[in-house]
Amino acid sequence: DVKVTQSSRYLVKRTGEKVFLECVQDMDHENMFWYRQDPGLGLRLIYFSYDVKMKEKGDIPEGYSVSREKKERFSLILESASTNQTSMYLCASSPFEGTSGRSIETQYFGPGTRLLVL
Amino acid sequence: DQQVKQNSPSLSVQEGRISILNCDYTNSMFDYFLWYKKYPAEGPTFLISISSIKDKNEDGRFTVFLNKSAKHLSLHIVPSQPGDSAVYFCAASRRGGGADGLTFGKGTHLIIQP
Repeated sequence: DVKVTQSSRYLVKRTGEKVFLECVQDMDHENMFWYRQDPGLGLRLIYFSYDVKMKEKGDIPEGYSVSREKKERFSLILESASTNQTSMYLCASSPFEGTSGRSIETQYFGPGTRLLVL
Repeated sequence: DQQVKQNSPSLSVQEGRISILNCDYTNSMFDYFLWYKKYPAEGPTFLISISSIKDKNEDGRFTVFLNKSAKHLSLHIVPSQPGDSAVYFCAASRRGGGADGLTFGKGTHLIIQP
C-alpha cells in the first residue's frame, strides 16, 4: 500500500512566522505535489516536483516555496505566514512509468495538515 | 477561470438508490479524468478514472461516463450506501509525459439518507 505521511495533522502559527510542512512517501514515487483545500474552492495546486531538486509552480504558488532534497520528502514552506494561508494542506505523490515514459495520473494523498494562522 | 466544474455543491440521495454526480470541463486538452472521495479530516482517496479514448469505465458499484463532445462526465453509484456519504472531487489531467498535477473541481457533498 502507498503511504503518504504529513508531519502534523493540526498546526497553529502566528502571522509572520516561517512554517514548514513536511511530507514523506514510501513508494519511491518520482512526482510529489502540494495542494490546499478551502471550502467552496476545492483543491488547488501550489507546487509540484518531478525529481529531486526539481520544482514547478502550480496554480497558486504566491507566498509559498518548496524543497525536495530527497526523493521521498517534499517540504512546503510558508516564508511569512499570513491569515489567508489558513487552510487544509494536502500532499500527494504519483509514480513515473518508465516503460511508457509518462507519469501516472493517479495521485495518492496524505491525511492533510490543517493550518491555522492567527 | 475554472476549468473543471462541479455545479452541485451538495446532493442528497436515499440509501439503495442511484447517486449521479456531474462534472463539466472546459479545457479540451484534458484527456484523463479521475474521481476522488474525501471524508472529513482525511486526504482524498482515488475512486475511479477514465481515459478520453473510452466513454465508460466500471468498477463494482461505481461507473464513470464520459461525453467528450459535451465535455461532461458523470459518476454513478449504484446502489448508494451510507458509507458513500463524503465529498466527491472530479479531477482532470493532460497526458503527455509530464507531471502537471491534477485540476480539481470544487467538490460535491453527497449525503446518503437512510
